[in-house]
Amino acid sequence: LAKTTQPISMDSYEGQEVNITCSHNNIATNDYITWYQQFPSQGPRFIIQGYKTKVTNEVASLFIPADRKSSTLSLPRVSLSDTAVYYCLVGDAILTGGGNKLTFGTGTQLKVEL
Amino acid sequence: NAGVTQTPKFQVLKTGQSMTLQCAQDMNHNSMYWYRQDPGMGLRLIYYSASEGTTDKGEVPNGYNVSRLNKREFSLRLESAAPSQTSVYFCASSDRSNPSGTEAFFGQGTRLTVV
Repeated sequence: LAKTTQPISMDSYEGQEVNITCSHNNIATNDYITWYQQFPSQGPRFIIQGYKTKVTNEVASLFIPADRKSSTLSLPRVSLSDTAVYYCLVGDAILTGGGNKLTFGTGTQLKVEL
Repeated sequence: NAGVTQTPKFQVLKTGQSMTLQCAQDMNHNSMYWYRQDPGMGLRLIYYSASEGTTDKGEVPNGYNVSRLNKREFSLRLESAAPSQTSVYFCASSDRSNPSGTEAFFGQGTRLTVV
């Protein structure tokens, strides 16, 4: 599985846009990029997933450049409730027969203040 | 729809005791996982099961055993608990039909303390 590198922490203020970048230099052709969010004392929650270019849902956007060696999670107009740890995962299920190891790194601790 | 259910939510064990953490999912997912998360750390994969009848080691399997009882249930057993196994344990499941298989659903966790 491709190794990922993210900033350990980020600080922001309410109403700002936050961009968290993840580096995955050895991403494979079949790999997808997935982001999870984790609040204290809870299990991680799926946010968004993409393969290339841009993906947007009601929560976030995911930008993936053409070489796919990095990706950026964009959270528009954050609020205090967006304070959480954000994990970037890269992996593929097809080649492993459906069982993706889902290896998490240490994630990025986002702190949003007033 | 309950999703992923873990039992118990809290547990205190004495060193050397054994216990089994239970996990069940009602989403008909093929893959299931067990993670541990130590304070201030990310999740580390203990074991996973790509499909019913198969299990494989993750990053930190030592001291643990697992059983994929059926498609719904995946249990984690500590045969002889040690203080180093004090952690929060998360169970998760994912669907192979998803192209990447990486959209996983997590339980609420089991807080285990070994004294």
